Amino acid sequence: AQKITQTQPGMFVQEKEAVTLDCTYDTSDPSYGLFWYKQPSSGEMIFLIYQGSYDQQNATEGRYSLNFQKARKSANLVISASQLGDSAMYFCAMREGRNTDKLIFGTGTRLQVFP
Amino acid sequence: DTAVSQTPKYLVTQMGNDKSIKCEQNLGHDTMYWYKQDSKKFLKIMFSYNNKELIINETVPNRFSPKSPDKAHLNLHINSLELGDSAVYFCASSLWTSGNTGELFFGEGSRLTVL
Repeated sequence: AQKITQTQPGMFVQEKEAVTLDCTYDTSDPSYGLFWYKQPSSGEMIFLIYQGSYDQQNATEGRYSLNFQKARKSANLVISASQLGDSAMYFCAMREGRNTDKLIFGTGTRLQVFP
Repeated sequence: DTAVSQTPKYLVTQMGNDKSIKCEQNLGHDTMYWYKQDSKKFLKIMFSYNNKELIINETVPNRFSPKSPDKAHLNLHINSLELGDSAVYFCASSLWTSGNTGELFFGEGSRLTVL
């Protein structure tokens, strides 16, 4: 079974609008961490935001927020006020348990922001 | 200053050759990784080292041999290159302690093309 599922291979959004990128995960471990990374066309991987399984509040970092719904095992990334520079691949990833440093990545969503 | 640097950025070689990719981090992290990103952008962990000790070895062919001379360096040597080895190889590092998210900091990637 896929540990991390990103069902949207591609998304389009108009500049200044908000967009939600979906991510669902599968784990039976009560302790885990969820990450989002951005990969622009230049290729580097940029860390955006983190949510711990025990965090009570949804994580926010500037225009990025994580809509964490634990019961549904979803960790959707919300980008507000999209900018042209947000066009990139976005990857959701999970670390399971307390004693592993392994991040498992989803297949990614390509976001295109148009004027 | 580049936090995680890997060389070379591009590598084009013939099948059957042996090649190495070098990685260095100046973040003081204790864990380093190699990830492979295939042509469909899927990112998969290959190896991780913690303080020079191999922690994760993800069913990678033994033609791939990581070497960590110290905790700031993790090199990847590939013997007898095959067409299927063509990919982008990412080095990453992290520092995973209590109160820290342990996110991965990635290098810029090394694009390997096997002809």
